Amino acid sequence: DIQMTQSPSSLSASVGDRVTITCRAGQSISSYLNWYQQKPGKAPNLLIHGASSLQSGVPSRFSGRGSGTDFTLTISSLQAEDFATYYCQQTYSLPYTFGQGTKLEIK
Amino acid sequence: QVQLQESGPGLVKPSETLSLTCSVSGGSVSSGSYYWSWIRQPPGKGLEWIGYIYDNGNTNYNPSLKSRVTISVDMSKNQFSLKLTSMTAADTAVYYCARQYSGSYGWYFDLWGRGTLVTVSS
Repeated sequence: DIQMTQSPSSLSASVGDRVTITCRAGQSISSYLNWYQQKPGKAPNLLIHGASSLQSGVPSRFSGRGSGTDFTLTISSLQAEDFATYYCQQTYSLPYTFGQGTKLEIK
Repeated sequence: QVQLQESGPGLVKPSETLSLTCSVSGGSVSSGSYYWSWIRQPPGKGLEWIGYIYDNGNTNYNPSLKSRVTISVDMSKNQFSLKLTSMTAADTAVYYCARQYSGSYGWYFDLWGRGTLVTVSS
């Protein structure tokens, strides 16, 4: 299985801040990397697919970069509704695996 | 618009078999463009992919669960199902069904059900 490691595990930030979350794969996964946002009690919601493609309907303040083993999710200017847990996921090889999550909290 | 809805028991006894169904509305499970997956999330923990099925019945399962999992599709009812045998407390989780779509770089889950909490307890 390909291990996905996110950092940090938790992060405190303020509305308006620029925030970056990192995801590292245990081996090269090209650009087969997705990002999801999950709010408490809700299902995950797709933000970014293919490392950098913004899912339809997702605000442009979200962006993704990277290829190979190192990836980032950046929120350019945090809004109140962005406080949630974020997961990366690889679909380069089976079984699909997720990172452990990054909880973004209000400072 | 397409929606997914999980249904099944909220409580299962240890050693029993869990059966969950995901009903697809507003679209067809046999569209041919998608795979259909199950994912679970233990309380307070991360996400684990369980497996997927295609409308031709082809399946793929997470090796960690493969010996206990069966995913099937019923096109007449426009739904797909999960069976997980020999349930233990470690299988307590929110179970999600999701639609998988293929982009330029692999598959991604673009539509999820709301999830259903399954507790394993006697």
